[in-house]
Amino acid sequence: DADVTQTPRNRITKTGKRIMLECSQTKGHDRMYWYRQDPGLGLRLIYYSFDVKDINKGEISDGYSVSRQAQAKFSLSLESAIPNQTALYFCATSERTGVQYFGPGTRLTVL
Amino acid sequence: GENVEQHPSTLSVQEGDSAVIKCTYSDSASNYFPWYKQELGKGPQLIIDIRSNVGEKKDQRIAVTLNKTAKHFSLHITETQPEDSAVYFCAARAGNQFYFGTGTSLTVIP
Repeated sequence: DADVTQTPRNRITKTGKRIMLECSQTKGHDRMYWYRQDPGLGLRLIYYSFDVKDINKGEISDGYSVSRQAQAKFSLSLESAIPNQTALYFCATSERTGVQYFGPGTRLTVL
Repeated sequence: GENVEQHPSTLSVQEGDSAVIKCTYSDSASNYFPWYKQELGKGPQLIIDIRSNVGEKKDQRIAVTLNKTAKHFSLHITETQPEDSAVYFCAARAGNQFYFGTGTSLTVIP
């Protein structure tokens, strides 16, 4: 969905490096999410935010942090990347009804 | 937390046939059940959803059924077409979080 953009789309980095993935949305939604997708495991929630001052841990938050800079922007950081954080990362937004809209994903490889 | 199981993991059907994907959930408080279609290189896209106060919902060739007593819900695609080939995910919302199934790779054979 072009209303939710993610940068970068692909990133290769080395173990121990700090990485930031960015998400922007033009849908005007208050709620934003970060998910991780691994083959055979579906999507797992890392963090979510219901407004600028609200940050909540999801199922698998260890090793990650987030920042909600504005209603439209939600960033995911890996403070010290490790190889098992190699995955496809998706940002999503939602209305209060729960319908989620996903970005195109960021493919992250940690060597 | 909630646990969502999805079956089968792969499904091949002939064009024109029906496809059924099934999911079970564990948390009786879950109240919203979306289904997503993910095409290669793209993010998941909502195709249909159902809320806990409804037993069935249909949108053209796609339908979803929900059995709250048994804690399972299913996606039905009729008259399948090659463009239906993709990975499909079910999900359940428990509280403020969404829990996803592990996905079904559907192949429609022309």
